[in-house]
Amino acid sequence: RKEVEQDPGPFNVPEGATVAFNCTYSNSASQSFFWYRQDCRKEPKLLMSVYSSGNEDGRFTAQLNRASQYISLLIRDSKLSDSATYLCVVNPRGPGANNLFFGTGTRLTVIP
Amino acid sequence: NAGVTQTPKFQVLKTGQSMTLQCAQDMNHEYMSWYRQDPGMGLRLIHYSVGAGITDQGEVPNGYNVSRSTTEDFPLRLLSAAPSQTSVYFCASRLNIGTGAFFGQGTRLTVV
Repeated sequence: RKEVEQDPGPFNVPEGATVAFNCTYSNSASQSFFWYRQDCRKEPKLLMSVYSSGNEDGRFTAQLNRASQYISLLIRDSKLSDSATYLCVVNPRGPGANNLFFGTGTRLTVIP
Repeated sequence: NAGVTQTPKFQVLKTGQSMTLQCAQDMNHEYMSWYRQDPGMGLRLIHYSVGAGITDQGEVPNGYNVSRSTTEDFPLRLLSAAPSQTSVYFCASRLNIGTGAFFGQGTRLTVV
């Protein structure tokens, strides 16, 4: 079983739409969670950390459900510039703590 | 503020050749790591370092060596290139366990 699993998409949404991505992780002892965005042929860039109580950064909202081992990212009022691949990232506790486990990414295209 | 700098951006090697990918960060981060990204597999950890003089293996270390003589630099050496090492390589650094990582621009390596 993969450490982190994401729906690969693609998600094609019109400008202004709300879109949600989901991610599940296998290690219940994981300690930190992140969403990254990666543009085509570019490096991953940290979008936001995900906190237990949920957190928001402008149009982006991240949620964590530890009981279900589930992370989500909600993007409101989608912009053309939001088109990218979104990576779910988990940092486990214990022996694997020095590693970040990446999902394969969910591709989003925002259509004019 | 340069962040994480990787060189070269592109490289073509013949099977059996060796080379070194350079990585430097100016954020005074203790944690540095090397990942490879292959289609459909997400980023996978090759080697990491938790500080100068300390390195350890990640998920896919075979065929690669690293060293960490200074806090700033973390080069990755390919000992004898193989076609299976064709990939995109990313260097990353982070402040400590539990924080997000910052990535270099990546090296696209092709082994023929």
